[in-house]
Amino acid sequence: SQELEQSPQSLIVQEGKNLTINCTSSKTLYGLYWYKQKYGEGLIFLMMLQKGGEEKSHEKITAKLDEKKQQSSLHITASQPSHAGIYLCGEDERDSNYQLIWGAGTKLIIKP
Amino acid sequence: EAQVTQNPRYLITVTGKKLTVTCSQNMNHEYMSWYRQDPGLGLRQIYYSMNVEVTDKGDVPEGYKVSRKEKRNFPLILESPSPNQTSLYFCASSTKQEQFFGPGTRLTVL
Repeated sequence: SQELEQSPQSLIVQEGKNLTINCTSSKTLYGLYWYKQKYGEGLIFLMMLQKGGEEKSHEKITAKLDEKKQQSSLHITASQPSHAGIYLCGEDERDSNYQLIWGAGTKLIIKP
Repeated sequence: EAQVTQNPRYLITVTGKKLTVTCSQNMNHEYMSWYRQDPGLGLRQIYYSMNVEVTDKGDVPEGYKVSRKEKRNFPLILESPSPNQTSLYFCASSTKQEQFFGPGTRLTVL
């Protein structure tokens, strides 16, 4: 089965700085999802990427899927305390309808 | 408002005492699933359901049961909980484009 690796596992960033989280698949991604989780709470959908080279933005968060569709990056510009949380990437298992395989998550802490 | 609700949000129980975590969605989605989240392991799927009366095992089904008697509800049942089932549990209901998650249930089994 496909595996999804996220890096780094955790990240401490000074408020106002930029940061990047990566998500790498062992196989070609059919669809890649990014979610954010505030500590102990539910998951909030951020973006979904499907096409090679696709890039989407939501406020100060930008996600890209590389041309080979094996790696995605999530970039936050001018980080704020509200960005703190756990970021999870998930990929579609092509033949399984609706099922997602998940990365282990990246814990982001913003220092004031 | 479209939402997935879970109850209870927090539960502390003892080994062997049967419990049920309820999940309900108001979006008329056919697909629902249960995940557990553990540090360093990310989200792992326990069970999923493609429609009423259609359920199947996910990656970590041992020790869990589910039922799907009606479209909106998908309860997770632990017949005899054990300490290794201490975790954060999420219910989700899906379209093809997006999964909607419940707020989570933090379960501690002593």
